[in-house]
Amino acid sequence: GENVEQHPSTLSVQEGDSAVIKCTYSDSASNYFPWYKQELGKGPQLIIDIRSNVGEKKDQRIAVTLNKTAKHFSLHITETQPEDSAVYFCAASNAGGTSYGKLTFGQGTILTVHP
Amino acid sequence: DAGVIQSPRHEVTEMGQEVTLRCKPISGHNSLFWYRQTMMRGLELLIYFNNNVPIDDSGMPEDRFSAKMPNASFSTLKIQPSEPRDSAVYFCASSFGPSGGYNEQFFGPGTRLTVL
Repeated sequence: GENVEQHPSTLSVQEGDSAVIKCTYSDSASNYFPWYKQELGKGPQLIIDIRSNVGEKKDQRIAVTLNKTAKHFSLHITETQPEDSAVYFCAASNAGGTSYGKLTFGQGTILTVHP
Repeated sequence: DAGVIQSPRHEVTEMGQEVTLRCKPISGHNSLFWYRQTMMRGLELLIYFNNNVPIDDSGMPEDRFSAKMPNASFSTLKIQPSEPRDSAVYFCASSFGPSGGYNEQFFGPGTRLTVL
């Protein structure tokens, strides 16, 4: 089955700096890569996703890149703000197969943005 | 819509007791997922349903765990008997779309279970 590795496990940045979180996956059949943000005491929430036919996607201050050959994808947050502090999870899925939307999650990254 | 609803939000019980966690998915969603989150193991998928039918329960850790979805608006996760190592936050999530689609999962607020 799919295995997703995520790094780093913790990341501390100053407000205004950029943050990058990286993930690798093992199953070449995976074609959908969402990122979820989990705030304290809440469930994870989707913030951005990318499909395998796209190399990069942006949404305001966040962007995701995908390298299918190397089987890795990354989350980039620019101009970080204290409210970006949370746990971020990457995930992978074989959408279009028989997975019914099943996701395999990375281990999570605790991002702390210092004012 | 109120989102995915889970109850109870917190549960404290003693080892050996039966625990039942409940989930109401978003109306109209046709897939439902149960996850367990711990510091050591991260976010683990336990079981998921599509159109009320269990699709994959390979993540259920032991026979002590069971899940049901009697209708499209309700699911339960039961642990009997509970053990201290079952202490975790349990999330329910739901999504809508054709099988295998690029479907966002909407998570509930979770149930924090503590087994003493």
